[in-house]
Amino acid sequence: QKEVEQNSGPLSVPEGAIASLNCTYSDRVSQSFFWYRQYSGKSPELIMSIYSNGDKEDGRFTAQLNKASQYVSLLIRDSQPSDSATYLCAAENYGGSQGNLIFGKGTKLSVKP
Amino acid sequence: EAGVAQSPRYKIIEKRQSVAFWCNPISGHATLYWYQQILGQGPKLLIQFQNNGVVDDSQLPKDRFSAERLKGVDSTLKIQPAKLEDSAVYLCASSRNSNTEAFFGQGTRLTVV
Repeated sequence: QKEVEQNSGPLSVPEGAIASLNCTYSDRVSQSFFWYRQYSGKSPELIMSIYSNGDKEDGRFTAQLNKASQYVSLLIRDSQPSDSATYLCAAENYGGSQGNLIFGKGTKLSVKP
Repeated sequence: EAGVAQSPRYKIIEKRQSVAFWCNPISGHATLYWYQQILGQGPKLLIQFQNNGVVDDSQLPKDRFSAERLKGVDSTLKIQPAKLEDSAVYLCASSRNSNTEAFFGQGTRLTVV
């Protein structure tokens, strides 16, 4: 199993719907997780970080972490066409720092008007 | 506050040639990262600096890649000689310290032909 795995998609949702992005991880990463958004041809931008089991909400975004199942997810409520991008799940490397990250391949999200 | 600056934005070289990329981090940021992002994949960490010292270069192909941050500010990443598989976007990121969020630059897109 790779350290961080994501379904590459594409995931297509209608405008206003909830988009659910999922990520699994192995024992080879630490317990700090990050979701980045990357528009085509642009650099990754941090959306959410999560370190504890449970949910963390920020505006339309909710990150969920389940350490027992080794599962991280990102929910986007009231999806907008401007949310169309690739979403990267990342885990902090053991002994590393918040920028020393192991990324998944990313899930491409398309929000249809 | 100015973001992470990288140059050039684009570079096309022939295989076996050498190339260098430059990064100027956000002012006051002590930690600097170089990532390689191959098309369709997530970024992969190549090297992490703390001030002018190397913290992690475990994934840097040292037979052809080198990086330096001599004065603890700007950094250069060099590839010599380049291979076709080095075609990627090279992203520089910086953070205030190792425990804070990393911000990415726009990247340098390298094409090796």
